[in-house]
Amino acid sequence: SQQGEEDPQALSIQEGENATMNCSYKTSINNLQWYRQNSGRGLVHLILIRSNEREKHSGRLRVTLDTSKKSSSLLITASRAADTASYFCATDAWSNNDMRFGAGTRLTVKP
Amino acid sequence: EAQVTQNPRYLITVTGKKLTVTCSQNMNHEYMSWYRQDPGLGLRQIYYSMNVEVTDKGDVPEGYKVSRKEKRNFPLILESPSPNQTSLYFCASSTEGRAFDEQFFGPGTRLTVL
Repeated sequence: SQQGEEDPQALSIQEGENATMNCSYKTSINNLQWYRQNSGRGLVHLILIRSNEREKHSGRLRVTLDTSKKSSSLLITASRAADTASYFCATDAWSNNDMRFGAGTRLTVKP
Repeated sequence: EAQVTQNPRYLITVTGKKLTVTCSQNMNHEYMSWYRQDPGLGLRQIYYSMNVEVTDKGDVPEGYKVSRKEKRNFPLILESPSPNQTSLYFCASSTEGRAFDEQFFGPGTRLTVL
């Protein structure tokens, strides 16, 4: 079963705007990761945030984690057409070594 | 170049005809994993391996087999494929044998079972 659920399922914005995607999960986690997938291709790792961290930055990406609400958000600032892709959150737990992905958010950035 | 490779990239087969999808990584990673991706369902883990000769079931292992005889290879075997196994398959590997490290994904194998 899926662990993470992304919201919204699809998001369409203009170039230069910020894009925010959310991820909720059900059970306690060890870490949460965000991945990006261009259409039909392999996933590319964006950022990892550990359960004891609250916020992390990487270039134009900002990830927050609220373990009390079992949720995370991914913010992409000053979006570009090249950011058009699907974004997935993935979680793993202390209790096992499998990784659970959500269904993803499809982001479209219009030039 | 550090990478995960999968073969074949595309495969059309018929019900019941055994097939193997190969996966190989050149990063000396201990952890390897197979996922399937279906529309609206995201990625679901099929099997994973923490190290040579160590494999475990993921979320959707039914109808699949794996083996890990060498560190670099992790083939996915479908003994008797069925149409519900039509999907996009990804192999991934990770450092230090820990699931919560960054996973490197292969380019995917699109399988159609008629």
